[in-house]
Amino acid sequence: QQQVKQSPQSLIVQKGGISIINCAYENTAFDYFPWYQQFPGKGPALLIAIRPDVSEKKEGRFTISFNKSAKQFSLHIMDSQPGDSATYFCAASASGGSYIPTFGRGTSLIVHP
Amino acid sequence: ETGVTQTPRHLVMGMTNKKSLKCEQHLGHNAMYWYKQSAKKPLELMFVYSLEERVENNSVPSRFSPECPNSSHLFLHLHTLQPEDSALYLCASSPRATNSPLHFGNGTRLTVT
Repeated sequence: QQQVKQSPQSLIVQKGGISIINCAYENTAFDYFPWYQQFPGKGPALLIAIRPDVSEKKEGRFTISFNKSAKQFSLHIMDSQPGDSATYFCAASASGGSYIPTFGRGTSLIVHP
Repeated sequence: ETGVTQTPRHLVMGMTNKKSLKCEQHLGHNAMYWYKQSAKKPLELMFVYSLEERVENNSVPSRFSPECPNSSHLFLHLHTLQPEDSALYLCASSPRATNSPLHFGNGTRLTVT
């Protein structure tokens, strides 16, 4: 299975700061890139997703930046809040191939008050 | 409510027991997944059922046996488990053959004693 490499593994940010999580992929056929957010005791839930026809997508304080030539995409959380403390997973899948997504290893984000 | 319901939420079983995990979705999806989530490890895809086709991770031990009687229900039958099988087992669903996000349940926390 093609890898999706996610970094950092853990991240600590002060309230009001910017949280940045990065992912890199190998398979150029990937054309759907979702981010999931998981709180303790819950399953992952879709946070935001992007397709490669745009370089950026913003939803509230959450932004995905996508660099097709570098095969990288990142999640930016602006004005990070303690309620954003969770584990974040990036994923990638290809419409022309297997619909089964490939997940990154996850990033544990802690936002200090 | 995620639209994907998993029962039980918690399960403690001995190594000689036989138990089953249940997953139910009424989102009209036609692909269902089992994932294993262990502490400090990435999400591990175990099985996928889609349109009566089964995809499985060849590294999953035979003591885990999936069953998908229809597109709305998915089971994971467990027998003679090992302590290292203790983990959060997540069920997810999605429309097949489209780049759409997975909808996860909140998981079953399994402890093998």
